[in-house]
Amino acid sequence: EAQVTQNPRYLITVTGKKLTVTCSQNMNHEYMSWYRQDPGLGLRQIYYSMNVEVTDKGDVPEGYKVSRKEKRNFPLILESPSPNQTSLYFCASSLSWVWDEQFFGPGTRLTVL
Amino acid sequence: QKEVEQDPGPLSVPEGAIVSLNCTYSNSAFQYFMWYRQYSRKGPELLMYTYSSGNKEDGRFTAQVDKSSKYISLFIRDSQPSDSATYLCAMRAINQAGTALIFGKGTTLSVSS
Repeated sequence: EAQVTQNPRYLITVTGKKLTVTCSQNMNHEYMSWYRQDPGLGLRQIYYSMNVEVTDKGDVPEGYKVSRKEKRNFPLILESPSPNQTSLYFCASSLSWVWDEQFFGPGTRLTVL
Repeated sequence: QKEVEQDPGPLSVPEGAIVSLNCTYSNSAFQYFMWYRQYSRKGPELLMYTYSSGNKEDGRFTAQVDKSSKYISLFIRDSQPSDSATYLCAMRAINQAGTALIFGKGTTLSVSS
């Protein structure tokens, strides 16, 4: 089944404790992206990757890191999480950056205490 | 003025009603327009895609773009309880590397049987 998977689905952590949210797609997509979704603010792009080893900042990159060493994986790293990073996170992928049908993962709900 | 404005609702209608969902935007460079549907506790999924001005129909759904007014709409005919979800408009400017999808905040729709 074609899909985007994210782990973990739910995470409660404390300020400053480094964490990684994994994202993997099995559709051989070039383009991958991370979003956060907050009430009243909608979906905002954090980082995106147009292909392996090519990543760039989205609208709200502060406090996040990403890497794209393999085509299928695009982990999101929070080196020192803070409470304002409490949010619902989505990973998405598409065939290429010009292909607008993005396939979204199921989401990761992160709470930083 | 935000780039994309979308009334968050909630919008409650009886089964069988015609639903109109709308977004306005300010960036005249937007050329690609999409509607995503997001069920509770799920990631968004692409529902409709249109390029530039005009109408596009798919079953009970019609997407309409009026570039002169910077206004897009999604119409749902014969609405069903299974249409209850949050609808997100999204749009992108002309082909340019790294140009991100800009999402509206979403309108929550509830269809009662």
